[in-house]
Amino acid sequence: DSGVTQTPKHLITATGQRVTLRCSPRSGDLSVYWYQQSLDQGLQFLIQYYNGEERAKGNILERFSAQQFPDLHSELNLSSLELGDSALYFCASGGGLTGLYFGEGSWLTVV
Amino acid sequence: AQSVTQLDSHVSVSEGTPVLLRCNYSSSYSPSLFWYVQHPNKGLQLLLKYTSAATLVKGINGFEAEFKKSETSFHLTKPSAHMSDAAEYFCVVSDLGGSGNTGKLIFGQGTTLQVKP
Repeated sequence: DSGVTQTPKHLITATGQRVTLRCSPRSGDLSVYWYQQSLDQGLQFLIQYYNGEERAKGNILERFSAQQFPDLHSELNLSSLELGDSALYFCASGGGLTGLYFGEGSWLTVV
Repeated sequence: AQSVTQLDSHVSVSEGTPVLLRCNYSSSYSPSLFWYVQHPNKGLQLLLKYTSAATLVKGINGFEAEFKKSETSFHLTKPSAHMSDAAEYFCVVSDLGGSGNTGKLIFGQGTTLQVKP
């Protein structure tokens, strides 16, 4: 158990819809990272938050957004969903020196 | 900019034989390097990490990796493969340098390890 909690584990939704993925980091970790894993793109870094503020942005689409709340949990919002957004979305906490600890992921299927 | 290349997309070994998963990295400064393992339908688990201390790093489940700066390599090894080692393995470099110091991880494309009985 990594200590990182993600919900929901599985999600099926239709194109054009909007979903929210939630992540609770390990106790004591201030950073939250979001990654997308798909068969064709591999693991792609989306965005990082540190103590409520955006710290780094990767290959995140404009249709996607995230935030980190005062209690340090984070939400990734995916809107105007397309078939190609179907993927496994990981949240992680930790840091570049300690390594990142990943949650079990949220499987998103867009139909 | 940092990058990481896993030289083999698929490695097949017999149970009880050694495992070698190869990884080369590119970094403008002293990198932090990691190996992660992902079993089917599971999240990513940290196997081991190198952060400029000892060049030979020991991880969980009998895995170890050696940081070789002259070769810009960080290969993962295990003396004797077990059936439970069958999984996807990712070599990772951390973006810690420059003005960003973001700490985000850059993942290789992964190596699938198959262990045959």
